Amino acid sequence: EIVLTQSPATLSLSPGERATLSCRASQSIRTYLAWYQQKPGQAPRLLIYDASKRATGIPARFSGSGSGTDFTLTISNLESEDFAFYYCQQRNYWPPNFTFGPGTKVDIK
Amino acid sequence: QVQLVESGGGVAHPGRSLRLSCAASGFTFTNYPINWVRQSPGKGLEWVAVISYDGSQEFYADSVKGRFTISRDNFKSMVYLQMNSLRAEDTAVYYCARGLTPHDSSTPFDYWGQGTLVTVSS
Repeated sequence: EIVLTQSPATLSLSPGERATLSCRASQSIRTYLAWYQQKPGQAPRLLIYDASKRATGIPARFSGSGSGTDFTLTISNLESEDFAFYYCQQRNYWPPNFTFGPGTKVDIK
Repeated sequence: QVQLVESGGGVAHPGRSLRLSCAASGFTFTNYPINWVRQSPGKGLEWVAVISYDGSQEFYADSVKGRFTISRDNFKSMVYLQMNSLRAEDTAVYYCARGLTPHDSSTPFDYWGQGTLVTVSS
């Protein structure tokens, strides 16, 4: 089973700063990685899929990179609505199987 | 617009059963796989199951295999999760979520419902 680890657990930043979130897989997952944002009391929202493709309607300040085992989500210019939890997710193509990382909380410094 | 609405959550005793429903609208339901994902209170996300666009294939997380069954009714645009032999560790908010890519069960989840809470307790 592929295990995802995310770091840091908490990231304290100010609006306007750049956020860099890391996700590491226990073995290569090529680019089968997605990122989700979740705010308290809400369902997750897909931000990035296939490591670097922005989902529909996601602002350009969100970008993803990486392949193999190391991935990064960058939020270039934090806005107030970006303070939330962020989860990475890997997918096994066949048979279908998905695992999530433990999450990173981005909070206001 | 795409909408997914879960229902059927509630309190169940350990060992009992519960059936969740997910009503879909706003898209061509018969083209998309649907997943169930759960989140224990204050915890992270766990994928539970996926059903293919045509209902011919189902896949499960090891933690629920043999106890949970996912199904769909393409005439009613509904997906179900039959949960049997419930355990305390099944306590969670359960979300249904649409797969991003038509006809591909291995795709990430682009639309989610608001979730329904299942509590397993004696």
